[in-house]
Amino acid sequence: GAVVSQHPSWVICKSGTSVKIECRSLDFQATTMFWYRQFPKQSLMLMATSNEGSKATYEQGVEKDKFLINHASLTLSTLTVTSAHPEDSSFYICSAGALAGRVNEQFFGPGTRLTVL
Amino acid sequence: AQSVTQPDIHITVSEGASLELRCNYSYGATPYLFWYVQSPGQGLQLLLKYFSGDTLVQGIKGFEAEFKRSQSSFNLRKPSVHWSDAAEYFCAVGLNQAGTALIFGKGTTLSVSS
Repeated sequence: GAVVSQHPSWVICKSGTSVKIECRSLDFQATTMFWYRQFPKQSLMLMATSNEGSKATYEQGVEKDKFLINHASLTLSTLTVTSAHPEDSSFYICSAGALAGRVNEQFFGPGTRLTVL
Repeated sequence: AQSVTQPDIHITVSEGASLELRCNYSYGATPYLFWYVQSPGQGLQLLLKYFSGDTLVQGIKGFEAEFKRSQSSFNLRKPSVHWSDAAEYFCAVGLNQAGTALIFGKGTTLSVSS
């Protein structure tokens, strides 16, 4: 149980285009989903926290107009990278929060590798 | 503010030797603690977690970790390393509060020599 999927697993796009990444909790409902970004050989950095039915909360330094997050249902959150540029190339990982018993536990998706040419 | 420190950026261990990866955290209360492993180009795999109870936690692939409150540490250990253990290891801290994200350490790269 507690499986999170991401689609696509990798994407290559031209500079200036927009890319949408989906994050789905397959067998549980996630009130909260998180988006992380990981540059090569670096750690995961939280970009934003997404709550179903409300606006996402962005971390300092993350442009909310560039990284659009929609959490339309309890099983789906999307991250859209608008007007992508080469510096946006990165590994994007989502996680979905679930209350395992009374414990706040998160389950991670497999990640999406974005390459902007 | 919470923080996680993994003091060792890169560790090389001989195959069959024991391993210990260090993790220290800074937080006022007892956090939830996690160890993840990441192979190149792959997502995160949860090795083990500590929420409460027994401070020695067993995980997958023969890994274990011990929570030491007095040292604010959660070190990962394995008695005998296999070549397939070569990967990036991340320690993470979470709050006991719904809707809060994990904070990750910078990671330790493990290389295994033959």
